[in-house]
Amino acid sequence: DGGITQSPKYLFRKEGQNVTLSCEQNLNHDAMYWYRQDPGQGLRLIYYSQIVNDFQKGDIAEGYSVSREKKESFPLTVTSAQKNPTAFYLCASSLRPDSSYNEQFFGPGTRLTVL
Amino acid sequence: AQSVTQLDSQVPVFEEAPVELRCNYSSSVSVYLFWYVQYPNQGLQLLLKYLSGSTLVKGINGFEAEFNKSQTSFHLRKPSVHISDTAEYFCAVSEVNAGNMLTFGGGTRLMVKP
Repeated sequence: DGGITQSPKYLFRKEGQNVTLSCEQNLNHDAMYWYRQDPGQGLRLIYYSQIVNDFQKGDIAEGYSVSREKKESFPLTVTSAQKNPTAFYLCASSLRPDSSYNEQFFGPGTRLTVL
Repeated sequence: AQSVTQLDSQVPVFEEAPVELRCNYSSSVSVYLFWYVQYPNQGLQLLLKYLSGSTLVKGINGFEAEFNKSQTSFHLRKPSVHISDTAEYFCAVSEVNAGNMLTFGGGTRLMVKP
């Protein structure tokens, strides 16, 4: 089955610890995205990558880092610098942006809770 | 920069009643418009999209939306809801030629009661 997988589904972290969220896709998509979801605020873009070995900051990148070493994978690290990391994190992917719109497909999400 | 406002954070409705979820956007350029649905602890699923052409767009699960450029709105409607429609609904906008980037509204929780 083609799709996007995120792991783990639930993640607990102690304050001061870094944690990495996994996102893998087998849709052969060039572009990948990370969003943070908080109640009442919709989804906000953290980072995005339109091609391997390149990524750009989104609206709320502070306290997060990413890498894009493979087309299929776009892991997100939540660092200890992120002041309020408890949230639901969603990964998405799409074909490379061109003159038309290419739909973003979403993974099932990871719920991160800081204890 | 564009923005999206979903005017209702929660909409309670009885089963088999009609429903409208409101969405207004702000942008200085042409836009594409989307509605997504999210079931608890799951990702987002595209319900429908407006890219061009007819302003009345039909989507999955019996939903439809109408693009009104003069009112900068894209309200979502369903003539008769089911219990299974209980979910969170997100309106999103992407500016034309902005490289697939989406801006989301804050979401509307649709609660269908028996």
